[in-house]
Amino acid sequence: EDQVTQSPEALRLQEGESSSLNCSYTVSGLRGLFWYRQDPGKGPEFLFTLYSAGEEKEKERLKATLTKKESFLHITAPKPEDSATYLCAVCGGATNKLIFGTGTLLAVQP
Amino acid sequence: EAGVAQSPRYKIIEKRQSVAFWCNPISGHATLYWYQQILGQGPKLLIQFQNNGVVDDSQLPKDRFSAERLKGVDSTLKIQPAKLEDSAVYLCASTLNSAGNEQYFGPGTRLTVT
Repeated sequence: EDQVTQSPEALRLQEGESSSLNCSYTVSGLRGLFWYRQDPGKGPEFLFTLYSAGEEKEKERLKATLTKKESFLHITAPKPEDSATYLCAVCGGATNKLIFGTGTLLAVQP
Repeated sequence: EAGVAQSPRYKIIEKRQSVAFWCNPISGHATLYWYQQILGQGPKLLIQFQNNGVVDDSQLPKDRFSAERLKGVDSTLKIQPAKLEDSAVYLCASTLNSAGNEQYFGPGTRLTVT
């Protein structure tokens, strides 16, 4: 069964304190791993797509990496505006639909 | 470029009542999705359309939920009759074609069933 597990569930950082979020997945025939950001009361906002192990993508203070079993979202020198829930999703398997994790709630304090 | 539009943004109904949500995807996007997001969880796919045809509705509770995309553009999702456990945010997303491409989400409709 396709599955996505994100950790930690919640993370509190001081401004400038770098850290990483983890997304472990089980899927047959990965077609893509997606990272989204979701602010309270809004829909998920697309950040990255990773397609194969070893691939990396960067956007401002965020960097996403992918292995055969997990993905990391590295946050370098975060700012309070980076506070949000970060969702990971995989597409693959027999159904080709997105399977989401439960997200990591990130709070960055000034 | 305009994003995915949804209405209403909020809806409060009593159990056993009916409710409908509307979604207009990004122009030119052939694939449209409806998701249910319960508080503290990730979105769960309810139904996927490719143009005006259903691709996947395996997780749609068909005894009470229905959805249509008659002209291959905008879509409606209906719940009749609603139950307390239907309280959630209903998200619409669209993508240019089929799976493997990033999906773009609308702001969602927050449904509260009392």
